[in-house]
Amino acid sequence: GENVEQHPSTLSVQEGDSAVIKCTYSDSASNYFPWYKQELGKRPQLIIDIRSNVGEKKDQRIAVTLNKTAKHFSLHITETQPEDSAVYFCAASDDTGNQFYFGTGTSLTVIP
Amino acid sequence: GAVVSQHPSRVICKSGTSVKIECRSLDFQATTMFWYRQFPKQSLMLMATSNEGSKATYEQGVEKDKFLINHASLTLSTLTVTSAHPEDSSFYICSANPPGRANTEAFFGQGTRLTVV
Repeated sequence: GENVEQHPSTLSVQEGDSAVIKCTYSDSASNYFPWYKQELGKRPQLIIDIRSNVGEKKDQRIAVTLNKTAKHFSLHITETQPEDSAVYFCAASDDTGNQFYFGTGTSLTVIP
Repeated sequence: GAVVSQHPSRVICKSGTSVKIECRSLDFQATTMFWYRQFPKQSLMLMATSNEGSKATYEQGVEKDKFLINHASLTLSTLTVTSAHPEDSSFYICSANPPGRANTEAFFGQGTRLTVV
């Protein structure tokens, strides 16, 4: 089955700096890669996603890059703000169904 | 987007009792729902795949007699934690996708914080 690894597990940045979270996956059949933000005690919320036919996608301060050959994808948050503090999860899935394989999560703290 | 509702959001129960958690798809029919368990500051751990009209598929290491899953209708799956113990305390969350939308974002319930005392 698919194995998704995520690094780092914790990340602290100064407000205004950039944050980068990286994930790798093992199954070349995976072709959909969403990123979720989860605040304490709440449900994960989709913040951005990318499909395998695209190498990069950007939405305001958030961007995701995908390297299919190397099987890794990254989340980039620029101009970080305190409200960006949360746990971020990457995930991978394929066309066979709805099952997602989640990374281990990154606890991001943005220091004012 | 699709809406998945989970109830209750918080529950405290005594050790040895059973607790039922409901997961409903409000505006679509879900033949498959997923149940996850999450420890503080850790990732979502898939417990089982709930299949409407058939038995759930449990992940390795998850006790099916401990975590009973029933998916009796196309809009409702329930997870019952039987004979709960303090180590069962955790955040439980379900997800589902509208039919025909495989390989799109997962829609999560609000989650249930279970505390066993």
